[in-house]
Amino acid sequence: QVQLVQSGSELKKPGASVKVSCKASGYTFTNYPMNWVRQAPGQGLEWLGWINTNAGNPTYAQGFTGRFVFSLDTSVSTAYLQISSLKAEDTAVYYCARVSAGPFDIWGQGTMVTVSS
Amino acid sequence: EIVLTQSPGTLSLSPGERATLSCRASQSVSSYLAWYQQKPGQAPRLLIYGASSRATGIPDRFSGSGSGTDFTLTISRLEPEDFAVYYCQQYGSSPKTFGQGTKVEIK
Repeated sequence: QVQLVQSGSELKKPGASVKVSCKASGYTFTNYPMNWVRQAPGQGLEWLGWINTNAGNPTYAQGFTGRFVFSLDTSVSTAYLQISSLKAEDTAVYYCARVSAGPFDIWGQGTMVTVSS
Repeated sequence: EIVLTQSPGTLSLSPGERATLSCRASQSVSSYLAWYQQKPGQAPRLLIYGASSRATGIPDRFSGSGSGTDFTLTISRLEPEDFAVYYCQQYGSSPKTFGQGTKVEIK
């Protein structure tokens, strides 16, 4: 079946980096763009941006340029989100989500990233 | 950036009742509006896209309406599994913004 499986929870210190993976299965990975969304504890959904899984070019929402990097390994149908210079306010659940003609039709299960000293 | 405002913030209803959720956009999004359901500890699930089309496997008690700036999600008869948080999202322009959510809780 069509699914996105993300890597496990991470606990990082401020200033460190983290790389979250999102492995797709059940469909042709390069046919559907991949988006990244985060949700801080008890808060709503915030769109980080998306990556064209065919061309590999990323687009970042305002406020998520510089420290946030989207990448791909199409040989294993996997998208990545790397966050550098982590801050406490980056503590959130990070989701990958497939786009199908606009809406986000398939979501990963989420990866909790906790930034704490 | 298009701002989506959902109302009410919380809806307290009993199973079997009708739920009406509102989403208003700061400018027209045409019909590029989706609704998602999120339960605690779970990822969001797509319910409605194109303002009124149900996603695959979504029961027909869920319906969406509206266009332009005003949208409604209606749950005709609440089932126990429908108590959750609902988000609207516009995907017609970048950034793809979400509303702040409406919590439907058991009265």
